[in-house]
Parts: sequence; structure tokens; C-alpha cells
Amino acid sequence: NAGVTQTPKFQVLKTGQSMTLQCAQDMNHNSMYWYRQDPGMGLRLIYYSASEGTTDKGEVPNGYNVSRLNKREFSLRLESAAPSQTSVYFCASRGEYRLNEAFFGQGTRLTVV
Amino acid sequence: RKEVEQDPGPFNVPEGATVAFNCTYSNSASQSFFWYRQDCRKEPKLLMSVYSSGNEDGRFTAQLNRASQYISLLIRDSKLSDSATYLCAVNMGSARQLTFGSGTQLTVLP
Repeated sequence: NAGVTQTPKFQVLKTGQSMTLQCAQDMNHNSMYWYRQDPGMGLRLIYYSASEGTTDKGEVPNGYNVSRLNKREFSLRLESAAPSQTSVYFCASRGEYRLNEAFFGQGTRLTVV
Repeated sequence: RKEVEQDPGPFNVPEGATVAFNCTYSNSASQSFFWYRQDCRKEPKLLMSVYSSGNEDGRFTAQLNRASQYISLLIRDSKLSDSATYLCAVNMGSARQLTFGSGTQLTVLP
């Protein structure tokens, strides 16, 4: 009963390096989300995907790209990491009905030095 | 103005107290509303969905006021284990975009 699985759990990058955060869900959900969480800022939406093959920008998309590889997987890529991207990243998925809750992965703690 | 705004915290209350949080949203077409609980260094987990007529789950009561565009969460008889950050979430309009507030930190004191 895995739910939403994120990898890696921790990562340290140097400024300018690139990396991809992976997310997979096994609940057959159509919608998937990437959020970042900074102290005192709550969860800010980076990108979301309402269904396989579609992606949309959220509140803070600059510096990120996403790929909805299939229904299960939604990856987040940092092409050239910056210290401002130091944060905790959460992936989430959600079913298609209005009151369906979002299920979250355990988060990725990313530090850019 | 942020799309979803919450009461600034932190709230420090004694055990047994009643505490209420509010959350306002800007998009009048918003359709779904939720309260999540987040423990320190953990992922958010659903506390309760908010129904149009309001709903209760044990010591927790959620209300929706569409006219004033806010939702509320009432916690009665606070327990030490209620200490956490409470996040409201709003499904903005007809899209699947799920937007969260910045969270309110609650500490229940013995």
C-alpha cells in the first residue's frame, strides 16, 4: 500500500547543477501536483497535471519543468539549481471527484549550496 | 492578495481549550475545501473535507461561508496531540488546481 512515493528523500546540489525529482502514485489518480514548502510560507504550487498528457503552471513555476510521463509518474526537473530553490518539495495526487483528498509523498529535502 | 489566506499563528492554548481557525479564499468559483494537518517535518494529511452544510468529526467542526468566502475549523477540548500546523486547501474554480494557505501553527500546552 505505497500511495505516493517520492525519490530522493534528501539531496544536496551545487549551484548550477541539475536534477530530477521523481514521483509515482499507485492509486490510479488523474491529478498530480508538485509543491514546495518554505518556513512560514505554507505549500506553494509549482506545477500540476490534471490528467495524463497535460501540465499547468501553479504559483511559482519559474526555474522548474515537469513531465507527466504516464498516469503514475510526474517528475520535477531543476535545470540549473539556485540557492533560492532550497526547500522541501512535496508531490501529491488526487482522484477525480470534487471532494477527493490529496495524498502526499514524504517529501524531498533539497539544499542548494 | 494571496488566493488563500489563513490566520497568522502561532496559537498557544491550554489543554481543554476551544480554538478556531479561519481561512479566506479569493475565487468565488471555488468548489472544494479541505483542512489538512501537518506534523513537524512530515507530509500534510487530510483532517477533514468541508461540506456546504458544515460537518463535524468528533471534536472537530468545519464550516463554509460562501457569501463571505471563508472556511473555519473549530477544535473543542484541545489535546496535547492536536499540536501541529493546520493548512486549509481550496480547489480553485473548475480546474484541478489545489491551493493551500500558509498554515496556522497550534501548540496545546499542558
